[in-house]
Amino acid sequence: QSVLTQPPSVSGAPGQRVTISCTGSSSDIGAGYDVHWYQHLPGTAPKLLIFGNINRPSGVPDRFSGSKSGTSASLAITGLQAEDEADYYCQSYDRSLGWVFGEGTKLTVL
Amino acid sequence: QVHLVQSGAEVKKPGASVKVSCKASGYTFTSYAIHWVRQAPGQRLEWMGWINAANGDTKYSQKFQARVTFTRDTSASTAYMDLSSLRTEDTSVYYCARYFDHYMDVWGKGTTVTVSS
Repeated sequence: QSVLTQPPSVSGAPGQRVTISCTGSSSDIGAGYDVHWYQHLPGTAPKLLIFGNINRPSGVPDRFSGSKSGTSASLAITGLQAEDEADYYCQSYDRSLGWVFGEGTKLTVL
Repeated sequence: QVHLVQSGAEVKKPGASVKVSCKASGYTFTSYAIHWVRQAPGQRLEWMGWINAANGDTKYSQKFQARVTFTRDTSASTAYMDLSSLRTEDTSVYYCARYFDHYMDVWGKGTTVTVSS
């Protein structure tokens, strides 16, 4: 089963920069499919953060940015704020399995 | 404003079925597909499948293919997810999400389904 690999957790102090990686394979990210990122607070609706690898929906601060290269993608958050503490998921498409999500990364703001 | 409002929490016994609804507002329901995603406690988001709200075509994840059915009522702008033969491991929060241009841009708040004897 294709699972996009993310670090279980990352942390940073307010104002710092953190990155979250998302590693796939030749059947998903590496096949050219876009990567999207979601922010999720337990008990709430997941929120679209980045779509099409690098694009931010209106209303998402420019502190959030995405990138993609080869079979991987990354989400960067600069100027960390306490409100950024949440779970972050990457999502792409797999030729055989359909839509796939990463394992999720818990961001802790120290 | 676009909203997806889901039905309330359910408690079911193993072997039973559950039907979760997802009512859309703020946009033309038939212009977008609806995806269903679930999250078991402590687990990642897991894609279940999707339904084309315009014509009712569906595609299911292989994992759920035998037990899940998606339907929609266009007159009520509502999508439904029916999961049968419930097991304790189906205990999860079930989300519906609007699908736009290869990503899910608006999500419901989730429906908690607890399967317990």
